[in-house]
Amino acid sequence: GNSVTQMEGPVTLSEEAFLTINCTYTATGYPSLFWYVQYPGEGLQLLLKATKADDKGSNKGFEATYRKETTSFHLEKGSVQVSDSAVYFCALSDRAGNSGYALNFGKGTSLLVTP
Amino acid sequence: DAMVIQNPRYQVTQFGKPVTLSCSQTLNHNVMYWYQQKSSQAPKLLFHYYDKDFNNEADTPDNFQSRRPNTSFCFLDIRSPGLGDAAMYLCATSSRTGTNTEAFFGQGTRLTVV
Repeated sequence: GNSVTQMEGPVTLSEEAFLTINCTYTATGYPSLFWYVQYPGEGLQLLLKATKADDKGSNKGFEATYRKETTSFHLEKGSVQVSDSAVYFCALSDRAGNSGYALNFGKGTSLLVTP
Repeated sequence: DAMVIQNPRYQVTQFGKPVTLSCSQTLNHNVMYWYQQKSSQAPKLLFHYYDKDFNNEADTPDNFQSRRPNTSFCFLDIRSPGLGDAAMYLCATSSRTGTNTEAFFGQGTRLTVV
């Protein structure tokens, strides 16, 4: 089935530093790719997505580009803030159950931003 | 605001005592999912409903069951919770099923088994 692999954390950065969290995928066909963010004690929130090759998803200063040639969807932000401290999950759709699809998540990367 | 609501946020249950977690949605989405997330791990799909069609994952233990009485509500039943079932349980919805479909998550229920 389809799967994603993302870099191990935790990642610790100073405020205003540049962020990259790597994500690579294995898939049949060309599923959409997603980044979700999870703040402590909360559920997952969609951060951004891209639906086809070369698409760039962006939101709240975060960006990720769907790269078919490198099967990657790396998350970047030019200047992180303390409030960005959270766990970030890369995801894509995979076959689920008897029929249908569901999101399949990477293991998550914890980000801590210090003042 | 349309949303996915999980109750309770925190649930403590005794070892072996049946427990039910609930999820409701105002998005009128066809698909509802239950994920289990253990500490520092990826959410793991347990099962999902497409309308009334139940789809169980092959590796979901028989101890876990689900009910969807109508479009808005979905329940997760754990028949005999063990210590290993302590986790965050996440409910999610999507408007349809497909490779391009994003999911909308509730805030989760943190289950503790004592």
